Amino acid sequence: SSELTQDPAVSVALGQTVRITCQGDSLRSYYASWYQQKPGQAPVLVIYGKNNRPSGIPDRFSGSSSGNTASLTITGAQAEDEADYYCNSRDSSGNHLGVVFGGGTKLTVL
Amino acid sequence: EVQLVESGGGLVQPGRSLRLSCTASGFTFGDYAMSWVRQAPGKGLEWVGFIRSKAYGGTTEYAASVKGRFTISRDDSKSIAYLQMNSLKTEDTAVYYCTRVLGDIVATYDYWGQGTLVTVSS
Repeated sequence: SSELTQDPAVSVALGQTVRITCQGDSLRSYYASWYQQKPGQAPVLVIYGKNNRPSGIPDRFSGSSSGNTASLTITGAQAEDEADYYCNSRDSSGNHLGVVFGGGTKLTVL
Repeated sequence: EVQLVESGGGLVQPGRSLRLSCTASGFTFGDYAMSWVRQAPGKGLEWVGFIRSKAYGGTTEYAASVKGRFTISRDDSKSIAYLQMNSLKTEDTAVYYCTRVLGDIVATYDYWGQGTLVTVSS
């Protein structure tokens, strides 16, 4: 199956901008979705499609994509944004009907 | 309010079976595909599989790691999705989440249950 690669950990100063990336061949064909997971909680969808935010997600979260890389940007990071972030997409390899997740990025807000 | 509630998790011996249920409310269950995602302790998310709505044939797709052992089904009259897990292995130990698929975007999950823990151990 395809793989999606994320940096294991990223940090950002409070109020600054941070970009979390996700790389993989499947992203050349499909958009990524992004999920936020806080300790002990279920994941929450924050970005999907070209750059869509579900209701209730602050507009400081945005998404973009170029080539084989999708990015989640948090503009003006807040303390409550400290969490694990996962990307996923359709699988473009042999199991093209399946889905693949990235390994996750732990975001620390300093 | 959309709610997904998983049940059926617990401790099971390797090689045995377990069936998880996902009871949905707050939306027209039959109109949506449903997916299962799992998370081993301290690890990342892993897609398990999904079932399409009846309008799209109600067919299923599975991850290679569970194909042939796990089966997803649905009962639209009860608004319940099931995950039948057979021939369980220790590496199947995880929290299992039920998710709703957003429209026809099979990799986008807009609602998640709270998860149910499955522990496979002798």
